[in-house]
Amino acid sequence: AQSVTQLDSHVSVSEGTPVLLRCNYSSSYSPSLFWYVQHPNKGLQLLLKYTSAATLVKGINGFEAEFKKSETSFHLTKPSAHMSDAAEYFCVVSESTGGFKTIFGAGTRLFVKA
Amino acid sequence: GAVVSQHPSRVICKSGTSVKIECRSLDFQATTMFWYRQFPKQSLMLMATSNEGSKATYEQGVEKDKFLINHASLTLSTLTVTSAHPEDSSFYICSWRAGVPETQYFGPGTRLLVL
Repeated sequence: AQSVTQLDSHVSVSEGTPVLLRCNYSSSYSPSLFWYVQHPNKGLQLLLKYTSAATLVKGINGFEAEFKKSETSFHLTKPSAHMSDAAEYFCVVSESTGGFKTIFGAGTRLFVKA
Repeated sequence: GAVVSQHPSRVICKSGTSVKIECRSLDFQATTMFWYRQFPKQSLMLMATSNEGSKATYEQGVEKDKFLINHASLTLSTLTVTSAHPEDSSFYICSWRAGVPETQYFGPGTRLLVL
């Protein structure tokens, strides 16, 4: 069965410091993994996706994530936070084997302090 | 690429009226799309999956007669909230499934407020 757990409901960092948003997943098949960002009252924007190619995935706005199968993790990182990064972040797992299924994590709210 | 639009972006209506929300893929075509609902400070909840030319598949607990989906083409789908009530107030987001590997592309969302 699929599941996604975002380990922190909110994370607060200072501008210029690293960002780490944690995500663990479970999947019966080889999943695709995604991170989306949602700014207030906006739709979701794709940050990056893992699809069984390179385990370190680079996305937009300086974000990257590393797929670690042994740890069933797909944590999102950024070396230096910017004020504009303050938003809600969703980790998502999809399987296309036996039907297309998508599961959203509960979301992590990122706060960036000046 | 992969731009999705929704119209209207926000709507306020009286209880008992019906509201139609449009979702368009602007620069690509896709067979399958999804409608989600998002309550404040919560994650997205899948309401239904729709394939062009077929009846939508609704998630458990979602009333198909209340949330009417018309998926007439590879670029347009509409969600009609019939006889809306205040508890239907929410943020409605559509997405289209496209690309290789398959990825969901989301619309900007429609904020519905039922008075």
